[in-house]
Amino acid sequence: AQKITQTQPGMFVQEKEAVTLDCTYDTSDQSYGLFWYKQPSSGEMIFLIYQGSYDEQNATEGRYSLNFQKARKSANLVISASQLGDSAMYFCAMRVHSGTYKYIFGTGTRLKVLA
Amino acid sequence: GAVVSQHPSRVICKSGTSVKIECRSLDFQATTMFWYRQFPKKSLMLMATSNEGSKATYEQGVEKDKFLINHASLTLSTLTVTSAHPEDSSFYICSARGTLTFYEQYFGPGTRLTVT
Repeated sequence: AQKITQTQPGMFVQEKEAVTLDCTYDTSDQSYGLFWYKQPSSGEMIFLIYQGSYDEQNATEGRYSLNFQKARKSANLVISASQLGDSAMYFCAMRVHSGTYKYIFGTGTRLKVLA
Repeated sequence: GAVVSQHPSRVICKSGTSVKIECRSLDFQATTMFWYRQFPKKSLMLMATSNEGSKATYEQGVEKDKFLINHASLTLSTLTVTSAHPEDSSFYICSARGTLTFYEQYFGPGTRLTVT
């Protein structure tokens, strides 16, 4: 079964500190993609970072980095130097191919950054 | 670049009426569009995948006759909720994927549907 698991429903972090949001995945596909999205209260989905299954290096985008451990099937998001504006819902997602490309989302982690 | 718009952003309709939601890719050609539904404080649930010019592929459990999807052009897909009921109230989000966007899907801002 193809599945994304986010085990942290909610997280708190102090401003300027780093935080790790967990994501594990399950797929039998050899080629897949892993994504993280941020959803603020306005509802829009904001793309943060992408990791391809064949990428050997961990993806980084500014303050975001993806800790990709393929053997453990984990793709944790690390946010460095947290800011108040980082408070939002964060979703891990996986692109799979079953006849056509589609995306499976985890249940999300609500992050609250404390001043 | 890669902007996706949705219209309307909010809609309130009476039970039994139909509502159409438009999803447009503004600056790229969307060969594939996805429609998601999101319940409050829940994850995104893929409803269907539509490829331009062909019938949509619905996920298991999604009623084809209730959620009509049309992807008539490379920049426009529509979702029509037919004979809406209060349980159809939800946040509907579309996303688009094009030939120039190899791995990413770009999301629209979403449509909040309330059926009274």
